[in-house]
Amino acid sequence: EDQVTQSPEALRLQEGESSSLNCSYTVSGLRGLFWYRQDPGKGPEFLFTLYSAGEEKEKERLKATLTKKESFLHITAPKPEDSATYLCAVQTHSSNTGKLIFGQGTTLQVKP
Amino acid sequence: GAVVSQHPSWVICKSGTSVKIECRSLDFQATTMFWYRQFPKQSLMLMATSNEGSKATYEQGVEKDKFLINHASLTLSTLTVTSAHPEDSSFYICSALQGVPDTQYFGPGTRLTVL
Repeated sequence: EDQVTQSPEALRLQEGESSSLNCSYTVSGLRGLFWYRQDPGKGPEFLFTLYSAGEEKEKERLKATLTKKESFLHITAPKPEDSATYLCAVQTHSSNTGKLIFGQGTTLQVKP
Repeated sequence: GAVVSQHPSWVICKSGTSVKIECRSLDFQATTMFWYRQFPKQSLMLMATSNEGSKATYEQGVEKDKFLINHASLTLSTLTVTSAHPEDSSFYICSALQGVPDTQYFGPGTRLTVL
């Protein structure tokens, strides 16, 4: 069964304290791995798509990496405005509809 | 680019009434849209896949007669919650698929409260 697991569930950081969020996946065939940011009471905001092991993408203080088993979202010198829930999702080759399988998310709180 | 809107952003209704939620892709055409439900502090739960011009595909356990989905154009999908009850109160989020690559872009969500 295709599965996505995110850890930790919650993460508290001081402003400027870099860290990483993990997304482990077990799927029959990975078509793409997606990272989204979700603020309370809002819909998810697209961040990155990764397609193959070794791929990396960056956006401001965020950097996403991908291996054959997991993805990491590295946050460098976070600011309070980076506080949000970060969702990881995978798309598999067996799905021709663009359907996503989501992890449970990591809620990040950055304190000033 | 890739902006998706939802209307209304919040709605309060009485038990037994029906509520319609609209999802629009504003700057691209979407053959496929998705409807999700999200409970507090939980991840997104896919309800159904909406395809333009054809019947929606519902996930297991989702009542298709209760959650009516219509995707009449390439920029609009609607979700109608029929005979709503308090247990239908939730945050409903839609997404639209922009192909090549197949990326889902999400709307801002609709908060439904059934009294």
